[in-house]
Amino acid sequence: EEQLVESGGGLVQPGGSQRLSCAASGFTFSTYWMSWVRQAPGKGLEWVANIKEDGSESYCVESVRGRFTISRDNAQNSLFLQMNSLTAEDTAVYYCARGGRLGSFDSWGQGTQVTVSS
Amino acid sequence: EIVLTQSPGTLSLSPGERATLSCRASQNVDTTYLAWYQQKPGQAPRLLIFGVSSRATGIPDRFSGSGSGTDFTLTISRLEPEDFAVYYCQHYSRSSYSFGQGTKLEIK
Repeated sequence: EEQLVESGGGLVQPGGSQRLSCAASGFTFSTYWMSWVRQAPGKGLEWVANIKEDGSESYCVESVRGRFTISRDNAQNSLFLQMNSLTAEDTAVYYCARGGRLGSFDSWGQGTQVTVSS
Repeated sequence: EIVLTQSPGTLSLSPGERATLSCRASQNVDTTYLAWYQQKPGQAPRLLIFGVSSRATGIPDRFSGSGSGTDFTLTISRLEPEDFAVYYCQHYSRSSYSFGQGTKLEIK
């Protein structure tokens, strides 16, 4: 069964950086688009960024453009999110999600909490 | 950017009743790319429906999706105790994804 396990969250100061990781198992990682989706406390879901199977294309939401970078290492079955210039508005649980059929997300990790605060 | 608006914000029903959740898009969307998720407290979302009406693997047939254009519906035919949760609709278009704000389905 497919599994996604995020790590790297924690408390970071405003203006700081954080790198999230997602370890994938139970499926052929290199054949799927992958995404990061976040959820601020008590709020709904927000797609953050995604990356093509071979890493040749990536896209992100306007609010993180120029600050966040998504990447992947197919040899290590891992997905990453490098987050720079963090603000309080970036405080959220960050989920790693697998791209499913017809633009859906068919498998999710348990999430990792990122808190931006001084 | 397509904005998805879900209604109602909260729906109070009893087990055994039928639930109808709505998702309205700000403009006509490609119906191929409309999905629904269920999220319980402290858990990750779970895919229920993709492509408007196709159930994801392992999803009971009491869950069904329908709609076209700008109006979409998730129906739960007979509520089970485990169905009380928050539900989100989601759309994909031009390398971008959007979610509705969610409908909380609570026990009456």
